[in-house]
Amino acid sequence: KAGVTQTPRYLIKTRGQQVTLSCSPISGHRSVSWYQQTPGQGLQFLFEYFSETQRNKGNFPGRFSGRQFSNSRSEMNVSTLELGDSALYLCASSLAPGSGANVLTFGAGSRLTVL
Amino acid sequence: GENVEQHPSTLSVQEGDSAVIKCTYSDSASNYFPWYKQELGKRPQLIIDIRSNVGEKKDQRIAVTLNKTAKHFSLHITETQPEDSAVYFCAASRGGSEKLVFGKGTKLTVNP
Repeated sequence: KAGVTQTPRYLIKTRGQQVTLSCSPISGHRSVSWYQQTPGQGLQFLFEYFSETQRNKGNFPGRFSGRQFSNSRSEMNVSTLELGDSALYLCASSLAPGSGANVLTFGAGSRLTVL
Repeated sequence: GENVEQHPSTLSVQEGDSAVIKCTYSDSASNYFPWYKQELGKRPQLIIDIRSNVGEKKDQRIAVTLNKTAKHFSLHITETQPEDSAVYFCAASRGGSEKLVFGKGTKLTVNP
């Protein structure tokens, strides 16, 4: 079956712009979480969604937001982009929180470059 | 707050040798400890995981050990091969949440 699909794979933005990233989980998976990966900070948790509800949020400013749709697809948005937002944004899906005890499958990521 | 420390940050071994990566976590409520392997330009992939009610788990050349008292867990790779070269991440999580707290990663290089 298809894995976790993220679009777009690569994008370039300028400071002050906003960006929306999309994630389609594995069919049947209802939980989606997002992570930011940078060389300096490694993998950091952004948010977690289940049944269209945000269950958990990481330590990121309010410029970072997300949502989940009824078909479990998720989007994240970053407004007023800063140079430091350049990163690989990874989406991960699982059946449901705690169902497989956090066994996450990651997508290939969206690589954002902010100029 | 929650924190996972991972050592070493880089590790170079000869093919056939063993490699050990160690992690320490701070949140005593953590009960799930996965290890992910990320090859250059690719997504992180789960290679093994362990839950808090188990002390050790093996899968072919890979094993993970957990010491809950010391809040310490380790990844052991035996008979390393060049294709084991990658960045390895440990992580810790509480039950009922998909929030993983990751270590900073270990770049493993296996020299032929």
